[in-house]
Amino acid sequence: GAGVSQSPRYKVAKRGQDVALRCDPISGHVSLFWYQQALGQGPEFLTYFQNEAQLDKSGLPSDRFFAERPEGSVSTLKIQRTQQEDSAVYLCAIKVLGRGRGYTFGSGTRLTVV
Amino acid sequence: DQQVKQNSPSLSVQEGRISILNCDYTNSMFDYFLWYKKYPAEGPTFLISISSIKDKNEDGRFTVFLNKSAKHLSLHIVPSQPGDSAVYFCAARFTPPPVGSQGNLIFGKGTKLSVKP
Repeated sequence: GAGVSQSPRYKVAKRGQDVALRCDPISGHVSLFWYQQALGQGPEFLTYFQNEAQLDKSGLPSDRFFAERPEGSVSTLKIQRTQQEDSAVYLCAIKVLGRGRGYTFGSGTRLTVV
Repeated sequence: DQQVKQNSPSLSVQEGRISILNCDYTNSMFDYFLWYKKYPAEGPTFLISISSIKDKNEDGRFTVFLNKSAKHLSLHIVPSQPGDSAVYFCAARFTPPPVGSQGNLIFGKGTKLSVKP
């Protein structure tokens, strides 16, 4: 969506490979979220940043998942030693004030682990 | 255990008629609810929301109804248009969020709406 750019759009990884997914929000957005959406499911929360601080990482499924936002704008979600169950769409979202507390999502990165 | 449930995976309606999408939740701590619409290969797009202090919120062709006692909400689209064909997600959040879970949304599995011309 407008305001959040994600890259790459599609990523195919061999099992065991490390991947890095990028989220580039419009500048000035304090809150940034990562969600994982498996096929046929709704998005599930992974982690939350307020500026550069990762305040909640309770949704990260394992220690193979790592997220960072070192300067409080661009964020990277890294998955080490990918496994087939990591195949999903990874969505980044920013919190938009004054719109009924809705969040703006990026178009996502579709990760396929083969 | 799913806290937000959308029990109908799909719904088909005729253009011009009303579409009603349903959502049930189990956690009484939720007090803000949102509907998102998703087209293929795009991220979810915010549609409409409702606070628990209200029972209805309307925005153009879209109306959301909340029944707190039944822990049920519904999205009404009238009249339905072919461009409304998409997957609709119901989402809920705590307000204020628990410490360390700032603004986390919990989503249902979605309902695929098809509006036929």
